[in-house]
Amino acid sequence: DAKTTQPPSMDCAEGRAANLPCNHSTISGNEYVYWYRQIHSQGPQYIIHGLKNNETNEMASLIITEDRKSSTLILPHATLRDTAVYYCIVESSGAGSYQLTFGKGTKLSVIP
Amino acid sequence: DTAVSQTPKYLVTQMGNDKSIKCEQNLGHDTMYWYKQDSKKFLKIMFSYNNKELIINETVPNRFSPKSPDKAHLNLHINSLELGDSAVYFCASSWGGEQYFGPGTRLTVT
Repeated sequence: DAKTTQPPSMDCAEGRAANLPCNHSTISGNEYVYWYRQIHSQGPQYIIHGLKNNETNEMASLIITEDRKSSTLILPHATLRDTAVYYCIVESSGAGSYQLTFGKGTKLSVIP
Repeated sequence: DTAVSQTPKYLVTQMGNDKSIKCEQNLGHDTMYWYKQDSKKFLKIMFSYNNKELIINETVPNRFSPKSPDKAHLNLHINSLELGDSAVYFCASSWGGEQYFGPGTRLTVT
């Protein structure tokens, strides 16, 4: 079972920031938080990941609370192409393999 | 250049048949995976291979057998196909925790 809880859906106006929350209250000290998204019918796409510190890349920013029990993915200027299902995943690794357990995710709809 | 490719993209077949889906990655990754996404859109890991060695084998029927001839390839063979096998199958490869997914193979069993 997924170790994360996300709202099932969100809307965001085009050009505005999209803030997607995720709860992971049972996260272990060595587990990372990963974000992926799946645009309709395509394979999931890696967005960003973090352990403790906030992270930023060309796609998004990841804000992790100090107690690491929740995080927020921020898309600074959402476009219509950002409409997708966003998955927050707590990653467990071992033996050279990383097991991603996908939950139901948040369906983000970017509205013109 | 396509990083992770799968063939075929679509596969329609009858119950009882045996079929294979091929996956190739040109990223030089050591680890490859197979995922299944059912009609309700739940995405679930099936297998993981690291350097051609099976690492993860979730509760998948024995009819499903992955084969890794080399690090760049992980094929999925399915025997005696059933209606419930209809789904989209995604191959992925990873370096560290970042996984790169293929475009998927939509399998329809009639």
